[in-house]
Parts: sequence; C-alpha cells; structure tokens
Amino acid sequence: NAGVTQTPKFQVLKTGQSMTLQCAQDMNHEYMSWYRQDPGMGLRLIHYSVGAGITDQGEVPNGYNVSRSTTEDFPLRLLSAAPSQTSVYFCASSYKLAGGSGELFFGEGSRLTVL
Amino acid sequence: AQSVTQLDSHVSVSEGTPVLLRCNYSSSYSPSLFWYVQHPNKGLQLLLKYTSAATLVKGINGFEAEFKKSETSFHLTKPSAHMSDAAEYFCVVSDSNGNEKLTFGTGTRLTIIP
Repeated sequence: NAGVTQTPKFQVLKTGQSMTLQCAQDMNHEYMSWYRQDPGMGLRLIHYSVGAGITDQGEVPNGYNVSRSTTEDFPLRLLSAAPSQTSVYFCASSYKLAGGSGELFFGEGSRLTVL
Repeated sequence: AQSVTQLDSHVSVSEGTPVLLRCNYSSSYSPSLFWYVQHPNKGLQLLLKYTSAATLVKGINGFEAEFKKSETSFHLTKPSAHMSDAAEYFCVVSDSNGNEKLTFGTGTRLTIIP
C-alpha cells in the first residue's frame, strides 16, 4: 500500500540549476497538490490539480511549474533554483476536496537545499 | 477569504496530563476544519475533521476537537498525554464554497515531559 510517493527525499542544488520533484499516488485520487513547508510559516500551497490535464496556481507559484498528464503523477519543476526555494516540499492527494470534505494524504516530503 | 490562527507555537505538558492546542479561524462561508499531525521527518496525517455535522469531533489516538461558531474556535484536546503524542500539529480551514484550497496554520509543537 504505497499511498503517495515522493522522490528524491533529499536534494542539493546550485543557484540556477533546474530539477523535478516527482510525486506519484496509487489511490486513483483526482486532486493532487504541492506544498512547501518553512519554519514558522506552516504549509503554503504552490500548485494544485483537480484532474488530469487541469492545473492551477496556489499561494506561492512563482518559480515552479507543474503538469498533470496522468491521474497518478504530478511532478513539480523548479526552473532556475534560488536560495529562497530551500524548503521541505510535500505532495498531497485527495479523492475529492470540493467543499473541503476530503482528507489529504501526504507524501513523506522532499528536503531541498539551494546553495 | 479564510484564515487560521494557532495561538501557541509551542506547548509542553507532562505525560498523563491534559493537552489543549488552540485554534481560531476566519471564514466567509461555513467552514470545514481539520487537525493534522506531523511526526519528525514525516508527512502530515489527518487527526480529525469537522464538516458541519456534530460539533464535537473525535479523532484518532484519543484526540477530539469542538467546533464553536460563536467563538470561531476549533481547539484540539486530549485527556491524558502520551510520549508518542510529541509532534507538530496543524489546524486547517477550508471554505465550503467549492474552494479547492486549504489554509494551514503555522503549527504548534507539542512536547511531552516524562
């Protein structure tokens, strides 16, 4: 029972490099999302998707791209990494979030350091 | 617009004593409210949720929370703390207008004193 799987768990980048954080879920969830967690700031929504082919911006989308070509996968791309993107990134999915009744299932996180 | 305020960034209690983690919310619509727990180096896990049914909500591991509309609060309680309860706890709000976005509080770190 894999749930939500994120890779890699740790990554160190240099300023200006690009990379992709992978997220996959095996629960057939329509809703997938990416959050970043920074000390004292809780979790902030980066991008989300309500189904294959549909994505939208969250609270802090700048510097990140997403796509949703399949129900299972929702990769997050950093286009040109900056030190301000040093954070812990969480992918989360839900069967249905409309109306706020859906439970989010989280991956274990990806810790990114940008030098 | 929606927001959530966790009134304490850090709470310490002795093992076996009650736990109270405070959360106030603001919402333009009838809200859904959640508490999530995060153990060190792990993802978040749902403890309990309120979605306009009973105002007293029971969750996993003996936790419960009461929705008080007049006070715009959703405090998390547990009668007797256990060492395994040491973690960070997040209060989360979502409007019921079909908004797909959740708003997280800044978190409360719970420390259990042996």
